[in-house]
Amino acid sequence: NAGVTQTPKFRVLKTGQSMTLLCAQDMNHEYMYWYRQDPGMGLRLIHYSVGEGTTAKGEVPDGYNVSRLKKQNFLLGLESAAPSQTSVYFCASSYSGGAGNQPQHFGDGTRLSIL
Amino acid sequence: GENVEQHPSTLSVQEGDSAVIKCTYSDSASNYFPWYKQELGKRPQLIIDIRSNVGEKKDQRIAVTLNKTAKHFSLHITETQPEDSAVYFCAARRSGGADGLTFGKGTHLIIQP
Repeated sequence: NAGVTQTPKFRVLKTGQSMTLLCAQDMNHEYMYWYRQDPGMGLRLIHYSVGEGTTAKGEVPDGYNVSRLKKQNFLLGLESAAPSQTSVYFCASSYSGGAGNQPQHFGDGTRLSIL
Repeated sequence: GENVEQHPSTLSVQEGDSAVIKCTYSDSASNYFPWYKQELGKRPQLIIDIRSNVGEKKDQRIAVTLNKTAKHFSLHITETQPEDSAVYFCAARRSGGADGLTFGKGTHLIIQP
């Protein structure tokens, strides 16, 4: 059982290039999330999805797009990368059921550098 | 939106002593408060969480307390060990469960031998 898997683990881009980060989970979770982590800033929510075909904006969505075509996958796209998007990106997923809020399970992260 | 403040940013304690990390939140609708431990270069890992219908929760050497009136919650680690050295993050989420977490900025806990 792999849990939450992110690809790639590392990537270096030039300003203006585009790329897609992939998150896959095998826990049949309904909810999926993308966060970015910058030094001294904690983790900040970029976008999230409450189910296949749905997405919503988080705290810092500008410059990113997402898609959830399959329940197990959540893609994060950078259309035109900027140096300010240099960060570590974490994907997370959680179950939607139960009596209340459910724990989020994180992937290992993608370290992205924009030159 | 929600705002979570975490203190201190760095905490150094002697091995065997206790460590306390405090967080405050702003949104009275928040009702789920997890704590994550992150070692260098690794993913955040959930160590304990508390929901607003509970005032305190313990798991071996780790405990979390919640004061909804004052909007603050704390992480307590007793009998600290070298492997407790890491960055700890508190977080909060509103009722409903679909929204993402709002994180504090983290506390770097250093256990001195």
